[in-house]
Amino acid sequence: EPEVTQTPSHQVTQMGQEVILRCVPISNHLYFYWYRQILGQKVEFLVSFYNNEISEKSEIFDDQFSVERPDGSNFTLKIRSTKLEDSAMYFCASKWQGTADTQYFGPGTRLTVL
Amino acid sequence: KQEVTQIPAALSVPEGENLVLNCSFTDSAIYNLQWFRQDPGKGLTSLLLIQSSQREQTSGRLNASLDKSSGRSTLYIAASQPGDSATYLCAALVQGAQKLVFGQGTRLTINP
Repeated sequence: EPEVTQTPSHQVTQMGQEVILRCVPISNHLYFYWYRQILGQKVEFLVSFYNNEISEKSEIFDDQFSVERPDGSNFTLKIRSTKLEDSAMYFCASKWQGTADTQYFGPGTRLTVL
Repeated sequence: KQEVTQIPAALSVPEGENLVLNCSFTDSAIYNLQWFRQDPGKGLTSLLLIQSSQREQTSGRLNASLDKSSGRSTLYIAASQPGDSATYLCAALVQGAQKLVFGQGTRLTINP
């Protein structure tokens, strides 16, 4: 069964460093998402991406964040200058086409900022 | 602004019992509601999705219901097993938006 994959599973970085989290969505899906979950808190929406552009973003998704689909398979989240409060589990999700289709989530990347 | 709440935060029951997990949302203008399972330190596994026009969905021992007018959804687990121990999350897809809004989850423990 097709699934969303994410690499790395765990990333440790120093405050102020840039990180890139990578995701491979399900192959025929058209909508892509990033969510994050700070330890002990709710899963929060960051950004949605469709047709090679951001379709919606949350207040969390400020100028330090960017997303890209550099080729036909990868979807990346870049944090330019990490802060301690960026430490969280980051989930990538994808959806086929319809507005009300199921969003399928990857296993997550745990980001630890020291 | 859509708010999703799950009560209780934690639930512990003996194996074999039937149980109900609750989810409430403040804005009935949703496309659908999705239930997920999350094992410790792991990703989100989609269990059931109920469209706004539906009343319930079933998969195996799981049954999810949706009452938009009252802003409630329930996840019924029949004949619970220790392997059902996990955190269960509900999430509403907001109309006019692409984002899922999540509840904080119910941590379920099934005792052998």
